[in-house]
Amino acid sequence: QPVLTQPPSASASLGASVTLTCTLSSGYSHYKVDWYQQRPGKGPQFVMRVGTGGIVGSKGDGIPDRFSVLGSGLNRYLTIKNIQEEDESDYHCGADHGSGSDFVWVFGGGTKLTVL
Amino acid sequence: EVQLVESGGGSIQPGGSLRLSCAASGFTVSSNHMNWVRQAPGKGLEWVSIIYSGGSTHYADSVKGRFTISRDSSKNTLYLQMNSLRAEDTAVYYCAREVSNYYASSGYQKWFDPWGQGTLVTVSS
Repeated sequence: QPVLTQPPSASASLGASVTLTCTLSSGYSHYKVDWYQQRPGKGPQFVMRVGTGGIVGSKGDGIPDRFSVLGSGLNRYLTIKNIQEEDESDYHCGADHGSGSDFVWVFGGGTKLTVL
Repeated sequence: EVQLVESGGGSIQPGGSLRLSCAASGFTVSSNHMNWVRQAPGKGLEWVSIIYSGGSTHYADSVKGRFTISRDSSKNTLYLQMNSLRAEDTAVYYCAREVSNYYASSGYQKWFDPWGQGTLVTVSS
């Protein structure tokens, strides 16, 4: 099954842009990844799904246009432009793998985004 | 409004049992694939279990044989029965609906939406 790797932390100034990275383990470059935003003390919220062709489907409810995704090789990126205080959250990536008795969802360790 | 609300968490000694509940509103639990996902303190998310709309179930290796996922259609509620609890089961437990859509360019795709707010389970002596 794939392993998803995320940097534990990132920071950006108010109004700036930041790109968060989720890296798939070798051999899984064709996998799509879901991004989730988790505000402090809350459950995760679906942001959008991304593959090497970019976004798959639509953004989650209430996700602003400032959020976008790209995919290249083993990397899946979430870019946030014009960062606002409300964007300070943990961001998780996840992917589904296998079927039947081998099925599993896997997640990265999450990236804590601090807005300066 | 589509919403999930978990309850039933608490402190329990190792070897004990606990049942978590997840009450849904705005949609029908039994018509959807429903999941439990947990997050240990300071750690990332870990998928725990799924119950498919057809009723079949599947578990992560870490909980297989100890946890049981179920649902009650009359109450529109999802459950997680946790037995033989261990310290490493300490986590916030979230329930989440699995959503799927078909796209001509990429086939069936799925993700979790919505998630509940979570309920904390602490296993300690």
